[in-house]
Amino acid sequence: DAGVTQSPTHLIKTRGQHVTLRCSPISGHKSVSWYQQVLGQGPQFIFQYYEKEERGRGNFPDRFSARQFPNYSSELNVNALLLGDSALYLCASSLAGGYEGYTFGSGTRLTVV
Amino acid sequence: AQSVTQLDSQVPVFEEAPVELRCNYSSSVSVYLFWYVQYPNQGLQLLLKYLSGSTLVESINGFEAEFNKSQTSFHLRKPSVHISDTAEYFCAVSEGGSYIPTFGRGTSLIVHP
Repeated sequence: DAGVTQSPTHLIKTRGQHVTLRCSPISGHKSVSWYQQVLGQGPQFIFQYYEKEERGRGNFPDRFSARQFPNYSSELNVNALLLGDSALYLCASSLAGGYEGYTFGSGTRLTVV
Repeated sequence: AQSVTQLDSQVPVFEEAPVELRCNYSSSVSVYLFWYVQYPNQGLQLLLKYLSGSTLVESINGFEAEFNKSQTSFHLRKPSVHISDTAEYFCAVSEGGSYIPTFGRGTSLIVHP
C-alpha cells in the first residue's frame, strides 16, 4: 500500500508569491492534517480536515488556507509568501482525526527567497 | 490548553548504553500520548502511543514509555541503543475529544560508536 504522498518534495518561491502543496492520504483514511516544521523545532499544527470539513485550525494567519477533496486528498495554499514561511510542511493522515496517531508523509521543503 | 515540554534538546550516548528521553505535559483533562521518530530528510513515524489501559507501552524495536499521571510525564527509554537509533524524537499529547496533538520541540538522540 502507498503511504502518505506529498508533492512537490522541494520548491523555491519568491516573497509575495503563492504556493500550493498537495497531499494524498493512505487509502481508507478520511482525515488529513497539515503541520509546519521550522528547522530545529517541533511540528506546529495548521489545519485538520475530516470528511471534507475543517475540524481544526491552528494559530496561523489567513494567508494559509486548505481544502479536502471528495477523494480525501488535500491542498494547502499559502498566499503572499514571507521569508518566515520557509519550512518543512508535513501532511499527516489518520482514520478518524488522529485519535490513533498519525501517518506522516515525507514533507514538502519550501524555501522562500 | 495542552502543552509539551521535552527537557533535553540533545542527548549523546554511546552504543549499547541505556537512554531516557524526557517528556512532560500540561493538561487538565484526560490525554493521549505519543512518541514519534524523525530520521534525516524524512517525515515523522509513530513509535508508540498511550491511549488507555496499561501505563507501560512498548514499540517493536525495543523502546518503551511509561505514562505517569501524577508526574504528568511520558518518558521514553531503551535499555541498549544502536547507531541506527540516531534521530530526532518528538513527544506529542492530545486531549480527549480534541484528537489534534501538540508536539514538543524534539530531542536529538546521538548514538556514538
